[in-house]
Amino acid sequence: AQKVTQAQTEISVVEKEDVTLDCVYETRDTTYYLFWYKQPPSGELVFLIRRNSFDEQNEISGRYSWNFQKSTSSFNFTITASQVVDSAVYFCALRGQLGANAGGTSYGKLTFGQGTILTVHP
Amino acid sequence: KAGVTQTPRYLIKTRGQQVTLSCSPISGHRSVSWYQQTPGQGLQFLFEYFSETQRNKGNFPGRFSGRQFSNSRSEMNVSTLELGDSALYLCASSNRPGLYEQYFGPGTRLTVT
Repeated sequence: AQKVTQAQTEISVVEKEDVTLDCVYETRDTTYYLFWYKQPPSGELVFLIRRNSFDEQNEISGRYSWNFQKSTSSFNFTITASQVVDSAVYFCALRGQLGANAGGTSYGKLTFGQGTILTVHP
Repeated sequence: KAGVTQTPRYLIKTRGQQVTLSCSPISGHRSVSWYQQTPGQGLQFLFEYFSETQRNKGNFPGRFSGRQFSNSRSEMNVSTLELGDSALYLCASSNRPGLYEQYFGPGTRLTVT
């Protein structure tokens, strides 16, 4: 079985503050992908990033950055200089790469964390 | 490219009825997955289809079923609706199953009374 834990249920910051959203995962798969999605009030999940379990390089995209540490099974997401438009629910998710006949347990399905509600105040 | 579309966007049904939700994936995407989102259980995987075949299934009762057509469009059906089936049902498409990121539609908000 696999599990994704986002310990922070809600975070509230003031505009221009930096904020880090934590994500810790559990899986028995040796190969997997990690994702972050954003869900604004409209409800549609917006894909932000995909990270392969073999690639531990951190990534930066504009104000967004991701820190993947396999040793601690964490994939944290930082928003620098937050803006009101960043207010949304953010989900971390895990997806196994290997099919059942290769020993994988989660091929084809995303397992989501419970989400972190981020509110950025002006 | 047009995104994933889902119809209807909102639906109100009565306990015991059945419902069919539709999903059209991004053009060229052949894999479609369905998820249920509720405040209590969060986002849970229902099933995934690729080339008209169900490739993976989550832990939901047999009242939840789905299918995929040759044009990759997918439908999911819930029979004998229960109050607990009230949820946002999200459809996601990807190029292929397993390896690629999924792109989500706006969802269908189902309310069972």
